[in-house]
Amino acid sequence: GNSVTQMEGPVTLSEEAFLTINCTYTATGYPSLFWYVQYPGEGLQLLLKATKADDKGSNKGFEATYRKETTSFHLEKGSVQVSDSAVYFCALSDPQGGSEKLVFGKGTKLTVNP
Amino acid sequence: DAGITQSPRHKVTETGTPVTLRCHQTENHRYMYWYRQDPGHGLRLIHYSYGVKDTDKGEVSDGYSVSRSKTEDFLLTLESATSSQTSVYFCAISELGRAASTDTQYFGPGTRLTVL
Repeated sequence: GNSVTQMEGPVTLSEEAFLTINCTYTATGYPSLFWYVQYPGEGLQLLLKATKADDKGSNKGFEATYRKETTSFHLEKGSVQVSDSAVYFCALSDPQGGSEKLVFGKGTKLTVNP
Repeated sequence: DAGITQSPRHKVTETGTPVTLRCHQTENHRYMYWYRQDPGHGLRLIHYSYGVKDTDKGEVSDGYSVSRSKTEDFLLTLESATSSQTSVYFCAISELGRAASTDTQYFGPGTRLTVL
């Protein structure tokens, strides 16, 4: 079945450091890939998405590229801020089932210190 | 922000009591979902709806039932709450669901449920 594996956290960085959160997936066909972010005490918000191979999703300084050859969708940001402290979830949608059933990774907690 | 509200936002109840959580949307989206979030498990789908009175089970549906009598409301019921159902529950909505894997799900603020 479809699955998402993302790096274990927590991740602690200093402000302005470079961020990478790894995400790899297993799926039949060509899923769409998503990164969601959850700020403390809130629901999940879509951060970015990519719907086909080699697509790059970007938002708020974050980027992720859909790599079919390595089945990966790693999240990167060049210079993190304290306000980026949150839990980040990688997810995929089944190309057969549409977005009806998203499959989520377990989440990676990021803490950015001033 | 998508217009999704959940009520109550916090609830403490006792084992064996029935509990109903409500999700309300103002976006007129066809699809609605209930997830639970637990440490070490990420988000897991409980039930979802693809239209009024049309629902289906998710990954962890045992002990839960749902109802959708109106497009805007999706109710999650724990018939007899157990301590293992202590969790944070999120509602989500999407417009196209099965019709498009590129579709985005939008999440509500969550309900924290504690079963003593």
